[in-house]
Amino acid sequence: AQTVTQSQPEMSVQEAETVTLSCTYDTSESDYYLFWYKQPPSRQMILVIRQEAYKQQNATENRFSVNFQKAAKSFSLKISDSQLGDAAMYFCAVDSNYQLIWGAGTKLIIKP
Amino acid sequence: EAGVVQSPRYKIIEKKQPVAFWCNPISGHNTLYWYLQNLGQGPELLIRYENEEAVDDSQLPKDRFSAERLKGVDSTLKIQPAELGDSAVYLCASSPGLAGGRLWQETQYFGPGTRLLVL
Repeated sequence: AQTVTQSQPEMSVQEAETVTLSCTYDTSESDYYLFWYKQPPSRQMILVIRQEAYKQQNATENRFSVNFQKAAKSFSLKISDSQLGDAAMYFCAVDSNYQLIWGAGTKLIIKP
Repeated sequence: EAGVVQSPRYKIIEKKQPVAFWCNPISGHNTLYWYLQNLGQGPELLIRYENEEAVDDSQLPKDRFSAERLKGVDSTLKIQPAELGDSAVYLCASSPGLAGGRLWQETQYFGPGTRLLVL
């Protein structure tokens, strides 16, 4: 079975500092995509960043970057210079067999 | 570009009543998804459409849930009759889709969701 594990139910970080959210997964697919989505209290799910498994270079989007370790099946999200607007639930997801497999989410709290 | 539109945003009904949710995907997106999201959890796929065809409805509780996507654009998800345990957020998402390609490589874009409360 395909699984995605986010081991940190909640994380907090001081504004302007850096935080890393963890994600591990299990898939039998050789080619797949990995995603981080953000869901603020308004509940609109927003794509943060995506990574193609066949690309070794880690994806980056402004203050957001990933550390993709394919052999270890790890896909962590680093947020630099944290801002109050980053407060949300963050979900890791893996494309597998025509559907997204989701983690349980990590609630990120930003301390002013 | 307009995003995925869902209505209503909130719905409160008595148990055993019917309810319907509507979704308008991003223009040109062939693939449409309906998800259920319980509080504090990730979304769970209910059904996936490619154009007007339901290609994966294995997790849709067909005794009370139904969905349609006429003309391959807008979609409606219905529950009849609703039960207390159906209280959740119902999310709609769409992706461009690839005819003959690897569909799952396409990023999904989500609507704001419909929050359902069954009393």
